[in-house]
Amino acid sequence: SAVISQKPSRDICQRGTSLTIQCQVDSQVTMMFWYRQQPGQSLTLIATANQGSEATYESGFVIDKFPISRPNLTFSTLTVSNMSPEDSSIYLCSVDRQGRETQYFGPGTRLLVL
Amino acid sequence: AQSVTQLDSQVPVFEEAPVELRCNYSSSVSVYLFWYVQYPNQGLQLLLKYLSGSTLVKGINGFEAEFNKSQTSFHLRKPSVHISDTAEYFCAVSVRTAGGYNKLIFGAGTRLAVHP
Repeated sequence: SAVISQKPSRDICQRGTSLTIQCQVDSQVTMMFWYRQQPGQSLTLIATANQGSEATYESGFVIDKFPISRPNLTFSTLTVSNMSPEDSSIYLCSVDRQGRETQYFGPGTRLLVL
Repeated sequence: AQSVTQLDSQVPVFEEAPVELRCNYSSSVSVYLFWYVQYPNQGLQLLLKYLSGSTLVKGINGFEAEFNKSQTSFHLRKPSVHISDTAEYFCAVSVRTAGGYNKLIFGAGTRLAVHP
């Protein structure tokens, strides 16, 4: 498995502001993934971050709204920009390990936008 | 496109009773299948996975799942549940992308509520 930490664990933000979420892994990984879990909903993949290249975004998500950095093999950040109440969600990062078919998740960042 | 259907949004059950959480997937190719559990205010924890081999997969906390290719199902079972099993359970399928990595497609989740 993998030990994954996220900061902050939760935050309350005002609309129009931005929040950067950090994801740290205890060992080097190739791919890091960012998911959104809206209240009472399942998980939706936002984007995939590969070190040394631009993130790959899923349909419905854009870089201007969710810029991602991946400066090295153990760290990534997701920024939620110009927030609105609809961005209130849990944001989770994950990494793939073993044969790259299995993903392990961090504890999530709980975001409330007022 | 691949998709995952969890047939029950909520499953109430009494403590020490057996439980089955149902999951069906759609895919035209070989798949990897997963069950994750999310306890209140926590992230996702991997319960078990099917990659290949035996169709009966055993996971943590006494859970097991059976891969049925003909019925495209991957139902999760536990013979005797505990109060502590109360959580949200997600079934997921791994999809190979053009970029050479696997991404997960999740079902809507099933809330298991264990009552004393």
